[in-house]
Amino acid sequence: SQKIEQNSEALNIQEGKTATLTCNYTNYSPAYLQWYRQDPGRGPVFLLLIRENEKEKRKERLKVTFDTTLKQSLFHITASQPADSATYLCALDGSGNTGKLIFGQGTTLQVKP
Amino acid sequence: DTGVSQDPRHKITKRGQNVTFRCDPISEHNRLYWYRQTLGQGPEFLTYFQNEAQLEKSRLLSNRFSAERPKGSFSTLEIQRTEQGDSAMYLCASSLAGTSADTQYFGPGTRLTVL
Repeated sequence: SQKIEQNSEALNIQEGKTATLTCNYTNYSPAYLQWYRQDPGRGPVFLLLIRENEKEKRKERLKVTFDTTLKQSLFHITASQPADSATYLCALDGSGNTGKLIFGQGTTLQVKP
Repeated sequence: DTGVSQDPRHKITKRGQNVTFRCDPISEHNRLYWYRQTLGQGPEFLTYFQNEAQLEKSRLLSNRFSAERPKGSFSTLEIQRTEQGDSAMYLCASSLAGTSADTQYFGPGTRLTVL
């Protein structure tokens, strides 16, 4: 069966360190993968998209990698700040060109000052 | 504010009652999605529209759920005969088909509590 898995345990790190979050999937061949941020009680906010033919994408302090052989994406936040504390969701395109997204369960990041 | 809006933000209802939620997407977006999210889980796809046509509906979606997008603008999601298991956050998102892999913009959600 198709699965998207993120580490369900919260990630606690010290301010200034690099946070690395993992997204693994099985039985999918996604054309792209997206990462979203979600704060409590609010809708997800788009952060980054990486396509199947891209190995790495960067945006400011964020970096995403995509390994279609390992079926894994890594999401990095460098020089983390307490304001980065949130739940981070990965999502794959669900089917064809519908734009339908299949989400992982999310990983909560807590950055301590 | 030109983002996605949802109304109401919170709804408390008794089991067996019907509820209706509204979503107003970003005005130029032609795709509109409904998702459901429970605590500790990611959003789960329910259905989506391209313009006014409902093109896909999750197999997990009970026939008590119905969605419309009559003029290709706002959308409503109705749940009939609500059950306690329907308690969740209902999220709406919109996108512009054909651009950047359909980056979706989410609304704030409607939190439904069924007593």
